Amino acid sequence: DGGITQSPKYLFRKEGQNVTLSCEQNLNHDAMYWYRQDPGQGLRLIYYSQIVNDFQKGDIAEGYSVSREKKESFPLTVTSAQKNPTAFYLCASSIVADFSYEQYFGPGTRLTVT
Amino acid sequence: KNQVEQSPQSLIILEGKNCTLQCNYTVSPFSNLRWYKQDTGRGPVSLTIMTFSENTKSNGRYTATLDADTKQSSLHITASQLSDSASYICVVSAGRNKLVFGAGTILRVKS
Repeated sequence: DGGITQSPKYLFRKEGQNVTLSCEQNLNHDAMYWYRQDPGQGLRLIYYSQIVNDFQKGDIAEGYSVSREKKESFPLTVTSAQKNPTAFYLCASSIVADFSYEQYFGPGTRLTVT
Repeated sequence: KNQVEQSPQSLIILEGKNCTLQCNYTVSPFSNLRWYKQDTGRGPVSLTIMTFSENTKSNGRYTATLDADTKQSSLHITASQLSDSASYICVVSAGRNKLVFGAGTILRVKS
């Protein structure tokens, strides 16, 4: 898991509630990423950030929001607009925001919405 | 369309045996190919990363091969151990702007 922490490990929420997932890294990496993992599918990119106060939508950004106020932190908010939020969420970081560079993953947060 | 396909979807082998996992890709442009190991409920951990010019790369009992002409890669695990039970994910970098993930092969090693 390197120097990336995600909390909590498990999260349960009622439908209609927003929820924020935490991601912190101490690798001094500029770039951070959020992915969603569903059974039988490859990881899908939600958002990524190249630098503080900047972020870009990934392939499945609808219903999610992020912020990047500090280099070390990249929290993800799953809003009530996300139609199917139950999934395993992975945060990653890399030295720079270049997808040809190695990405280091956190341990993940499993979100269950009922 | 950029795609990474892995086979088999799942595999059960006896401890001590060898196995080979396959990855076929149609990704352009190609920067590199990576294999990750993901334990259940954990984040993926990098095993190998290979560029266009590399045919093989090893990491302990894990050996990855790459055939850029046929766009195929394999991950060979030698003398499997119970701790090798995990999902193995093939990932291809399509230049600076995209990663394409395979769905993974779930390996179970039985004693």
